[in-house]
Amino acid sequence: QQQVKQSPQSLIVQKGGISIINCAYENTAFDYFPWYQQFPGKGPALLIAIRPDVSEKKEGRFTISFNKSAKQFSLHIMDSQPGDSATYFCAAPDRGSTLGRLYFGRGTQLTVWP
Amino acid sequence: SQTIHQWPATLVQPVGSPLSLECTVEGTSNPNLYWYRQAAGRGLQLLFYSVGIGQISSEVPQNLSASRPQDRQFILSSKKLLLSDSGFYLCAWSGGAGGNQPQHFGDGTRLSIL
Repeated sequence: QQQVKQSPQSLIVQKGGISIINCAYENTAFDYFPWYQQFPGKGPALLIAIRPDVSEKKEGRFTISFNKSAKQFSLHIMDSQPGDSATYFCAAPDRGSTLGRLYFGRGTQLTVWP
Repeated sequence: SQTIHQWPATLVQPVGSPLSLECTVEGTSNPNLYWYRQAAGRGLQLLFYSVGIGQISSEVPQNLSASRPQDRQFILSSKKLLLSDSGFYLCAWSGGAGGNQPQHFGDGTRLSIL
């Protein structure tokens, strides 16, 4: 099995600030770590993902940093905007699965104040 | 492009009544399919997954069952609903085998049991 620990549970940031969400995993046989963004009443949507042959991936204002030796990865949202207010989930693949199974963190509720 | 549809969007059912939630995927073939439940303030709990027609794996013993009568159709059922079955049910798909494939979610069904 796989455990994914996500923190913080909730985060309040002022507009223009940096939002940082952290995740830690146990073991994995695959190198694929996605982040999902979920708005109220909607399903989670894939936001950004990293394959840790690199230590960082950036897409616009969103950056994933990956520390393979520490088994940790984090999401940074630069210049946070009120429209970024949502719940964010990290995920890690199952250790021994070839089925594309993911284990999810419990989520971080981000609120960006204008 | 691939799309995933879930219906209904909301459902209110009395205790003891049956349930059928449907999920269909378009634009891909032989997807892996998943049913999740999301309780308020919690992460995503995997209920069932399927790698092909008629192939269902259950993650958590409970009052629910799943079926996959066609390649791109996944159904979540119950013969008699319990109060504890209330929640937000999400269907997802991923492309084929491998622990490095993203999962794509539908917009979910909000199920309330009275």
